[in-house]
Amino acid sequence: EVHLVESGGGLVQPGRSLRLSCAASGFIFGDYAMHWVRQVPGKGLEWVSGISWNSGAIGYADSVKGRFTISRDNAKNSLYLQMRSLKVEDTALYSCVKASGWNLNPFEHWGQGTLVTVSS
Amino acid sequence: DIQMTQSPSSLSASVGDRVTITCRASQAISEYLAWYQHKPGKLPKLLIYAASILQSGVPSRFSGSGSGTDFTLTISSLQPEDVATYYCQKYNNALFTFGPGTKVDVK
Repeated sequence: EVHLVESGGGLVQPGRSLRLSCAASGFIFGDYAMHWVRQVPGKGLEWVSGISWNSGAIGYADSVKGRFTISRDNAKNSLYLQMRSLKVEDTALYSCVKASGWNLNPFEHWGQGTLVTVSS
Repeated sequence: DIQMTQSPSSLSASVGDRVTITCRASQAISEYLAWYQHKPGKLPKLLIYAASILQSGVPSRFSGSGSGTDFTLTISSLQPEDVATYYCQKYNNALFTFGPGTKVDVK
């Protein structure tokens, strides 16, 4: 069974940094693309960033480009999101998502998420 | 960047009704379109991918169609358990944009 467990969220001041982690199990992590998706409570889903199986293809939403960096360690079955220059509008529940394939594939499994609150 | 729109933003229908949700891409995306169901308190669920292929385990009352820029999700006979927000998503390049969602309620 696929398990995705996020960690690293919390309360942070605007302009500061935070690093999210996602521990994956139940599948061959290195065979699949992975993504981060966020949702403000009561609002819609927003894709944040994605990374292909071998880190060869990476993408970011315009709202986070230049501030967030996605990475993965296939040896550790882990996905990361380094968030810098955080803004109040980055406040959301951040979820780790497994795609159904190695690159351009839809999203198949979601983690429960970790809450990031950006506030002074 | 390609923008995704959905209509309507919300709808209320009776059990047994046929429900149709529309998704439009600002540029052609071939059939790189997925539909997700997100129930309150639950994790999003993939319903349809490649515009019209039903994900394993999804009831056959759900169907998808379209290509290029215009897509539809149809629920042939709405059930009480279908109350949820439905999102379309494009995945034709490194940007996986979601539509704004359509909230479906049962009267």
